Amino acid sequence: DIQMTQSPSSLSASVGDRVAITCRASQSINTYLNWYQQKPGKAPKLLIYGASNLQGGVPSRFSGSASGTDFTLTISSLQPEDFATYYCQQSYITPPTFGGGTKVEIK
Amino acid sequence: EVQLVESGGGLVKPGGSLRLSCAASGFIFSSYTMNWVRQAPGKGLEWVSSISSNGVYKYYTDSLKGRFTISRDNAKNSLFLQLDSLRAEDTAVYYCARQSNVAATDFDCWGQGTLVTVSS
Repeated sequence: DIQMTQSPSSLSASVGDRVAITCRASQSINTYLNWYQQKPGKAPKLLIYGASNLQGGVPSRFSGSASGTDFTLTISSLQPEDFATYYCQQSYITPPTFGGGTKVEIK
Repeated sequence: EVQLVESGGGLVKPGGSLRLSCAASGFIFSSYTMNWVRQAPGKGLEWVSSISSNGVYKYYTDSLKGRFTISRDNAKNSLFLQLDSLRAEDTAVYYCARQSNVAATDFDCWGQGTLVTVSS
């Protein structure tokens, strides 16, 4: 199985901060990388698919990028509703696998 | 509105069985590959199983060792997961999730989840 390693596992940030979360795949996955946001007690929500494509209805402050097997989710200006846990997921081969998650907390 | 609603979770003893259901609405259910993803309490997400739009192709995570069975009824817009020989480590919220397209396994719509607790 492809292992997905996210970092950091948690971070503290303030409203308005620029935040970056990284995800590294254990082998090449092309750009088959997706990002999800999950709030406590809620289902995950797809934010970005194909490494850099914004899902419909997702604010433009979210963006994704790729460099080899390294992927980055960036939030350009953190808003109060963005405090949540973020997961990456590879969709290159079955089984699809998720990163361990990054919890974004209020500083 | 696209909607997925799971049901069937609950408390079950080790070795017991449960059947989870997922009712779909707001989209052409028979056109989509569907998945089950689970999340143990306080843990991350784990893909469990998928089934093709016509129900022919089924895939499972290796760790299940044949204990779970996925199925669907396109006439009733419903997805199912039969859980047998349950273990404590199967305790989790189980989500059904729609796969956006056949080419790539991204999950663009999720249900609210149903909690399965395996305990004596």
